[in-house]
Amino acid sequence: SQKIEQNSEALNIQEGKTATLTCNYTNYSPAYLQWYRQDPGRGPVFLLLIRENEKEKRKERLKVTFDTTLKQSLFHITASQPADSATYLCALDKTGNNRKLIWGLGTSLAVNP
Amino acid sequence: NAGVMQNPRHLVRRRGQEARLRCSPMKGHSHVYWYRQLPEEGLKFMVYLQKENIIDESGMPKERFSAEFPKEGPSILRIQQVVRGDSAAYFCASSQGTGGGLDIQYFGAGTRLSVL
Repeated sequence: SQKIEQNSEALNIQEGKTATLTCNYTNYSPAYLQWYRQDPGRGPVFLLLIRENEKEKRKERLKVTFDTTLKQSLFHITASQPADSATYLCALDKTGNNRKLIWGLGTSLAVNP
Repeated sequence: NAGVMQNPRHLVRRRGQEARLRCSPMKGHSHVYWYRQLPEEGLKFMVYLQKENIIDESGMPKERFSAEFPKEGPSILRIQQVVRGDSAAYFCASSQGTGGGLDIQYFGAGTRLSVL
């Protein structure tokens, strides 16, 4: 069956360090992969999208990589800040039209001052 | 510059009652999506609608659940005869509907439904 896995354990890091979150998938060939941030009691907020033919994408302190051979995406936050503390979700778009996203359970990140 | 608006934010219903969840998309967006989120299951797609048209309802339970997006007014997710298992956070998202993978979905803050 199709599956998306993210680190189930919470990630705790010191302020200023780089946080790296993992998203692995099986039995998909996604056209796009997206990362969202979700704070408690709020809806997900879109961060970055990467296409299947892109290896890496950057936006300010965020970087996403996409390895279709390993079936894995890594999400990096450099120079992390306490305000980066949240749950980060990855979502796959199989069809290329972004209509029906398949979601991971998310990884909780805590950045300690 | 309002984003996606959902109401109510919290809804409490007794078993057997009806729940109506409302979603107003972002200005200029013509596509609406509904998701359900449970703590151990993550976000699950329920239904995708355009104005006056259900495009994909493959994630929606066949009984008791329905959705609409009328020509005027918000999208409504309706749950009839609620049961305790319906307790969850329900999120609505909207997009421009430009097509292609860059048609990003923007989410509302959700409605937390509690069934007593």
